[in-house]
Amino acid sequence: GAGVSQSPRYKVAKRGQDVALRCDPISGHVSLFWYQQALGQGPEFLTYFQNEAQLDKSGLPSDRFFAERPEGSVSTLKIQRTQQEDSAVYLCASSPSPPGYLRSGANVLTFGAGSRLTVL
Amino acid sequence: AQKITQTQPGMFVQEKEAVTLDCTYDTSDQSYGLFWYKQPSSGEMIFLIYQGSYDEQNATEGRYSLNFQKARKSANLVISASQLGDSAMYFCAMRAGSARQLTFGSGTQLTVLP
Repeated sequence: GAGVSQSPRYKVAKRGQDVALRCDPISGHVSLFWYQQALGQGPEFLTYFQNEAQLDKSGLPSDRFFAERPEGSVSTLKIQRTQQEDSAVYLCASSPSPPGYLRSGANVLTFGAGSRLTVL
Repeated sequence: AQKITQTQPGMFVQEKEAVTLDCTYDTSDQSYGLFWYKQPSSGEMIFLIYQGSYDEQNATEGRYSLNFQKARKSANLVISASQLGDSAMYFCAMRAGSARQLTFGSGTQLTVLP
């Protein structure tokens, strides 16, 4: 597609419910990132995929968070037993190649509009 | 560890005037990249401009320029001839060394006044 698409745009969940957030990256993009953005803050890294391989999940805040990208395209971020502190905007971003060396250029990320999760 | 500091939570500028948004960074890596993104109320992060640590010239992209002062570890964004559509949240971000991900600052909310 023309851009990174995320769904749902808005999700309200009761505490304890499981949620799944979907990301459709730009077709052919190798790299895919998930970020969490709390209200009034900058995005914080959650996890990184290179094709279908999850190479870095160091930013996932707890074992209730799980991400997958089984065929190297669409990715799903799943949050189990949601808590109020999980309320945030979840941003997905993709780029055509792996991050690589900075001397090679910016490897700019294209972001989606995000999924706003509110946990009551 | 990498850190981005944006000390201006909010800024106002008159339409058609220039404005500078501050960004300082901290990293021990010699190789790093600095990015500015714009986030309007719709939520999508829009890439504006990039500066590599080895780039000798300051980056420019249309009305955007990056005032890169390596010794001071600052990478301020300059927007010339502000437009009403420039009203948005602006984030400075960095990728350093072998890190794959961007580290973002807390952002500056810019409001352009008619």
